[in-house]
Amino acid sequence: EAAVTQSPRNKVAVTGGKVTLSCNQTNNHNNMYWYRQDTGHGLRLIHYSYGAGSTEKGDIPDGYKASRPSQENFSLILELATPSQTSVYFCASGDTQGANTGQLYFGEGSKLTVL
Amino acid sequence: QQQVRQSPQSLTVWEGETAILNCSYEDSTFNYFPWYQQFPGEGPALLISIRSVSDKKEDGRFTIFFNKREKKLSLHITDSQPGDSATYFCAARMSNYNVLYFGSGTKLTVEP
Repeated sequence: EAAVTQSPRNKVAVTGGKVTLSCNQTNNHNNMYWYRQDTGHGLRLIHYSYGAGSTEKGDIPDGYKASRPSQENFSLILELATPSQTSVYFCASGDTQGANTGQLYFGEGSKLTVL
Repeated sequence: QQQVRQSPQSLTVWEGETAILNCSYEDSTFNYFPWYQQFPGEGPALLISIRSVSDKKEDGRFTIFFNKREKKLSLHITDSQPGDSATYFCAARMSNYNVLYFGSGTKLTVEP
């Protein structure tokens, strides 16, 4: 069973502050993804990565940076957090075979509130 | 623009009834369509999927019907159970492109 762990699970930040959401996967998957989930919008892709050292922009990258320092870890960074970034963030991973079958393994989510 | 659309936004059925969740997409290059199930407080998990070369996929009480010409698909849940109450996401992927596009989801409630 794929294991994707996110931290923190809950975070309250102030406008203009820096926030880092971390994700760790223990199944040696090549691909990792960050989505945000908002009512009425479903899951929207922010950034993704094909492997250590790579990051790609998704559909809504503005205001976010990503970092993939290793196969296991993928971080989402909000340099200057804004209230519009209040959301639930999901990290997911999948390998080449998994990507071909559409199977992503999701973490349990990180709820971010920006005041 | 939204690549994948779902309807209805929410659906309530009685236990034992068939729930029908709808999905449509824009890009004709999409060739793989997974459905994900999400319970409150959890991440989505793959439920069932279909490739565009097929028009039907069954897995127990869950069936996907796919209409390539109309760019539509639907998820049928027969003999619905209260434990099926969850949010269901339709997603789509292009061939050789490792990104999934998700719809906005359908929140299903099954009343006992």
